[in-house]
Amino acid sequence: AQSVTQPDIHITVSEGASLELRCNYSYGATPYLFWYVQSPGQGLQLLLKYFSGDTLVQGIKGFEAEFKRSQSSFNLRKPSVHWSDAAEYFCAVGLYSGGGADGLTFGKGTHLIIQP
Amino acid sequence: KAGVTQTPRYLIKTRGQQVTLSCSPISGHRSVSWYQQTPGQGLQFLFEYFSETQRNKGNFPGRFSGRQFSNSRSEMNVSTLELGDSALYLCASTQWGRTDTQYFGPGTRLTVL
Repeated sequence: AQSVTQPDIHITVSEGASLELRCNYSYGATPYLFWYVQSPGQGLQLLLKYFSGDTLVQGIKGFEAEFKRSQSSFNLRKPSVHWSDAAEYFCAVGLYSGGGADGLTFGKGTHLIIQP
Repeated sequence: KAGVTQTPRYLIKTRGQQVTLSCSPISGHRSVSWYQQTPGQGLQFLFEYFSETQRNKGNFPGRFSGRQFSNSRSEMNVSTLELGDSALYLCASTQWGRTDTQYFGPGTRLTVL
């Protein structure tokens, strides 16, 4: 079964500093990869996704992620964080068989704290 | 387009009761998936419905069930509630449920006392 590991439970970054959130997956083939963000009391908002093609993916709110097959990683980056980026970030793997969506497998999440 | 809506947003039940949660997908979306989010287990896939048929199911007991109506609205039911069922239940919709993006609703917060 596929799995997703987000090694950092909490990360604290100063406002204006760069950010990298780590995500590693375990799966025999190239899965579909996603990053979602969740603000307190809210549902999940998609930041970006990777299905195929260019391994550097641009998302909303200035986020980007790079798929590295050799490292089984899909790290999320942002060059300069804003206080409004404070939230919970989830990496997810999708397995889509011929029958449909088998459901996303999520990492445990990384809680991002922004220092003024 | 309106987003995914879930009702109710908050529920309090007692052990042994049953509960029904509702999800209205984005207009035109035919696939609805349900997830349970808890502090301990994180986000876990419950099941997915497409055109009124359950296509995929996660690893949850039979107390958790769902259905989908012809207008793609979906309900999930939990019978004989246990304390451990307290969670945020999220619904997500996609157009076809394959490589499409899943769009999530705000969730229903269920508290079991």
